[in-house]
Amino acid sequence: EAGVVQSPRYKIIEKKQPVAFWCNPISGHNTLYWYLQNLGQGPELLIRYENEEAVDDSQLPKDRFSAERLKGVDSTLKIQPAELGDSAVYLCASSLGWQETQYFGPGTRLLVL
Amino acid sequence: KQEVTQIPAALSVPEGENLVLNCSFTDSAIYNLQWFRQDPGKGLTSLLLIQSSQREQTSGRLNASLDKSSGRSTLYIAASQPGDSATYLCAAYNQGGKLIFGQGTELSVKP
Repeated sequence: EAGVVQSPRYKIIEKKQPVAFWCNPISGHNTLYWYLQNLGQGPELLIRYENEEAVDDSQLPKDRFSAERLKGVDSTLKIQPAELGDSAVYLCASSLGWQETQYFGPGTRLLVL
Repeated sequence: KQEVTQIPAALSVPEGENLVLNCSFTDSAIYNLQWFRQDPGKGLTSLLLIQSSQREQTSGRLNASLDKSSGRSTLYIAASQPGDSATYLCAAYNQGGKLIFGQGTELSVKP
């Protein structure tokens, strides 16, 4: 069974440029999460989807970050414009339902110059 | 606000040693507690999930315990191997539906 797929794996951009990350969850998983992980820290939740509905986006900086999960499967996380402080690893995870075991993708490592 | 703390931040042990990783959380009203492993440059792999009504879970050489009253969980690794070298993260699933992570313990098992 395929795990959570993320692309790209690495991205280097200049500040003020836009960037987008893509996530394909495990088939049948209704819940999808985007996390931010800074170096030496644990992941922090940015947004949680139940099917196509964003049920918790309280930690998403909405002035520059946006996310969508149009058909309740794949999801895209966008940053526009990117800032130096956005350099981090962006992790996507999925689960059958909330409170269930979460399965993580390999992450996208973003470097903003 | 739930806070999760892991001590120590880093640990180095010789191969074959049994070891314990510690995790503490401030709010005992949790749904479950999970332990993850993260290899350098990789995502997280779930190791064990303990429901709030459970005291421990075991998988192979791993045993995780949960004491909600004291706000503590431990991950016991028996007969450690160099392949166990990784960062271990604990995470508490709080009432609000969020998984709150600790900062991790970086484990190095020396051959």
